[in-house]
Amino acid sequence: SQQGEEDPQALSIQEGENATMNCSYKTSINNLQWYRQNSGRGLVHLILIRSNEREKHSGRLRVTLDTSKKSSSLLITASRAADTASYFCATDKIQGAQKLVFGQGTRLTINP
Amino acid sequence: DVKVTQSSRYLVKRTGEKVFLECVQDMDHENMFWYRQDPGLGLRLIYFSYDVKMKEKGDIPEGYSVSREKKERFSLILESASTNQTSMYLCASSLGLGEAFFGQGTRLTVV
Repeated sequence: SQQGEEDPQALSIQEGENATMNCSYKTSINNLQWYRQNSGRGLVHLILIRSNEREKHSGRLRVTLDTSKKSSSLLITASRAADTASYFCATDKIQGAQKLVFGQGTRLTINP
Repeated sequence: DVKVTQSSRYLVKRTGEKVFLECVQDMDHENMFWYRQDPGLGLRLIYFSYDVKMKEKGDIPEGYSVSREKKERFSLILESASTNQTSMYLCASSLGLGEAFFGQGTRLTVV
C-alpha cells in the first residue's frame, strides 16, 4: 500500500506563479523527502525534512512538515517552465519496517 | 557524483522468459531498492536490500525475486515474464534512509 499520497494529482499554473503540492502519510516517520522526475527519467532528490523539523528551505523550494496531521507540503516559488515535472514525496518508515516508499506523485505543468 | 547504472534503457522480452534487470551503484551504499512505475500508480516498491545477501519484500513482490551477492549490485529477476509486468523499472540506492539516488530506469515490454 502507498504510504504517501500527493495532492493534487495534476497542477497547471502560469510561469512566475507559486506551486503548492501536498503529501499525506499514514504512520510515524523518521524523515520525509521530496523528489522530482522529468518525463521518462529517474528521480532526483530535492529536499529531506526530519520529523523534528517543521520547515526547510532550499533555493526556491520550501517544505513544511506537520507530524500531528501527518502531512507535508512543497512550495515552489516563482515557477519556471523548467520546473515542469512530476513531484513525489517519500517516507521512510511503515509499521516498523525501514523502507523508502513513494506516493503517486503530482504532475506539475508550468505554462509560459 | 554517485552513479546508479541500470543495465538496459529499453528491453523487449517474450511471455514466459526469465528476465534479469541489473543495477550497479558506485558509492558503497548499503541500501538498494527496486520499484516499478506505472501511470496513475506512482512508484511501487518491489524489493529492497539493506546488506549483501539480505532482502526484504516490498509492496508487490509477487512474480519477482532479487539477488544481492555483492554490495554494489542488486538484480531483479522476473521468473516467468508476463504481459502485466510491462512497466518502467527503477533502481535506487541510499546510505541509510537518507537521499536515494536513482538509475535512469529500464522500460520493459513483455510481448
